[in-house]
Amino acid sequence: GNSVTQMEGPVTLSEEAFLTINCTYTATGYPSLFWYVQYPGEGLQLLLKATKADDKGSNKGFEATYRKETTSFHLEKGSVQVSDSAVYFCALDDNYGQNFVFGPGTRLSVLP
Amino acid sequence: EAGVVQSPRYKIIEKKQPVAFWCNPISGHNTLYWYLQNLGQGPELLIRYENEEAVDDSQLPKDRFSAERLKGVDSTLKIQPAELGDSAVYLCASSLGAGDIQYFGAGTRLSVL
Repeated sequence: GNSVTQMEGPVTLSEEAFLTINCTYTATGYPSLFWYVQYPGEGLQLLLKATKADDKGSNKGFEATYRKETTSFHLEKGSVQVSDSAVYFCALDDNYGQNFVFGPGTRLSVLP
Repeated sequence: EAGVVQSPRYKIIEKKQPVAFWCNPISGHNTLYWYLQNLGQGPELLIRYENEEAVDDSQLPKDRFSAERLKGVDSTLKIQPAELGDSAVYLCASSLGAGDIQYFGAGTRLSVL
């Protein structure tokens, strides 16, 4: 079946550091890929998405590129802020919402 | 525009008691999802509705869990009786249709003692 694997957290960085959170997936078809973010006490919010190979999703300074050859969708940000502290979930959808799978999440803590 | 609203935010009950969670999706969203999120894990789909029809409930433990979406708007998820292992966060999400962006509520954190 489909699955999503993320790097284990927590990830602790200093403000303005470079961020990478690795995500790899297993899917039978050609899924859409997503990053969701969950801030403390809030629901999950869509951060960015990519629907086909080589697409780059971007939002709020975060980027991720859909790499079919390595089945990866790594999240990056050039300079993190304290306000980026949250849990980040990688996810895939291979059937128009009928088979949506989340990864386990990676907690990011950014220190001032 | 109001987002997905869930209540209660927190619930503490003793094992074997019943419990119910309520979800009000974004107006006009036809698809509604209930997810279970255990501590340190990603959400896992329990059931998905298209309007008032449950189109995917394969992961819902039907011996103790039930759900309904009357009139294709609000939805309730019920557990009866609750077990210790049911302690988790229950998330509701909605989307315009299947395959559209899902918007999540803040969740209900259930503690079973």
